[in-house]
Amino acid sequence: DGGITQSPKYLFRKEGQNVTLSCEQNLNHDAMYWYRQDPGQGLRLIYYSQIVNDFQKGDIAEGYSVSREKKESFPLTVTSAQKNPTAFYLCASSMGSGRYNEQFFGPGTRLTVL
Amino acid sequence: GQQLNQSPQSMFIQEGEDVSMNCTSSSIFNTWLWYKQDPGEGPVLLIALYKAGELTSNGRLTAQFGITRKDSFLNISASIPSDVGIYFCAGRPGTYKYIFGTGTRLKVLA
Repeated sequence: DGGITQSPKYLFRKEGQNVTLSCEQNLNHDAMYWYRQDPGQGLRLIYYSQIVNDFQKGDIAEGYSVSREKKESFPLTVTSAQKNPTAFYLCASSMGSGRYNEQFFGPGTRLTVL
Repeated sequence: GQQLNQSPQSMFIQEGEDVSMNCTSSSIFNTWLWYKQDPGEGPVLLIALYKAGELTSNGRLTAQFGITRKDSFLNISASIPSDVGIYFCAGRPGTYKYIFGTGTRLKVLA
């Protein structure tokens, strides 16, 4: 089945540690995205990538880093510089810039900093 | 970053009632998407709209792309308990990025 997978579902981290969230898609989509969702809030864009080996900062990129070495994969690293990392993280993908460019989401990773 | 104005923020309705929610923006969009999110899960795409005035249905759900291209509406007819969740709108002003609403929390009373 085609889709987007995120792992792990739940992640705990000690303060001061970096942690990497995985996102993989087998939809053959060119574009991938990372969003952060806080309780009772909408989705805020962290980073997005239009194509392999290229990515752009979103609205809240500080304290995060990404890489796009393969079309299928777009991992997100939450660094110790992120002041308030506890949140629900969502990965999404889309075909690209064409007219019919819906975004599809993965199941999410809930990160808790202890 | 910019966010859409989505209303109402939350609503309680009786099973069988119809539901309406909307999103408005100060920017023109070329695409509107509507999603439903269950607790602890990722949003699931319900309806996509691509043209001003477009009206699209998906079962009991109907959504419209506003004529001004700055708003969109979602209606749910004859609500059932599994309609409970958070509904998000998303608008695309350019090519890659979407802007998301803050969500409408729907609770259905049996």
